[in-house]
Amino acid sequence: KQEVTQIPAALSVPEGENLVLNCSFTDSAIYNLQWFRQDPGKGLTSLLLIQSSQREQTSGRLNASLDKSSGRSTLYIAASQPGDSATYLCAVTISGNTPLVFGKGTRLSVIA
Amino acid sequence: GAGVSQSPSNKVTEKGKDVELRCDPISGHTALYWYRQSLGQGLEFLIYFQGNSAPDKSGLPSDRFSAERTGGSVSTLTIQRTQQEDSAVYLCASSLEVVGRFANTGELFFGEGSRLTVL
Repeated sequence: KQEVTQIPAALSVPEGENLVLNCSFTDSAIYNLQWFRQDPGKGLTSLLLIQSSQREQTSGRLNASLDKSSGRSTLYIAASQPGDSATYLCAVTISGNTPLVFGKGTRLSVIA
Repeated sequence: GAGVSQSPSNKVTEKGKDVELRCDPISGHTALYWYRQSLGQGLEFLIYFQGNSAPDKSGLPSDRFSAERTGGSVSTLTIQRTQQEDSAVYLCASSLEVVGRFANTGELFFGEGSRLTVL
């Protein structure tokens, strides 16, 4: 059974810092991995999707990497801003038509 | 529509009553998923639709929970005889169906959720 773990559970950093969020999964036979952001009381916003054949994806200040063989992904946020404060969720699926399995998220606070 | 739409956004009900939660996916998305997010917990998968059929109902927590989808579009999640432990945010997501070698990325798009409180 696929399990997804995110470390740390919570993180507080001063504005301007670069930071890394970690995600690990137990079954390396994944189809894709997706990073989401969730603001309090809101739904999930897709940030980046990495397909199993890819090593990384970038969007603005965000960079996500994937090491399938070791079952790990990282989300790198450059020059963090208070507006980046949210919960970041990692999820994987083993095929294109099966449900995503989610980690419990990392709650990020960026202090001005 | 432009995004996944869910209603109601908030629902407060008394224990024992039935509730219906609605999801309107992105136009053209044939795959639809229901998840539940309880306070302090991760997202729990409930049910998945491909078109109008549900190949995976494995996450429904009890027979009080059911879901249907009509016309390959709108889906309704029904909870009968609600219990306090049903209190949670119910999230719906949709994606293009991955078909054979013409695979799309399978990227999932979520609605804002329906917050259910059972008193």
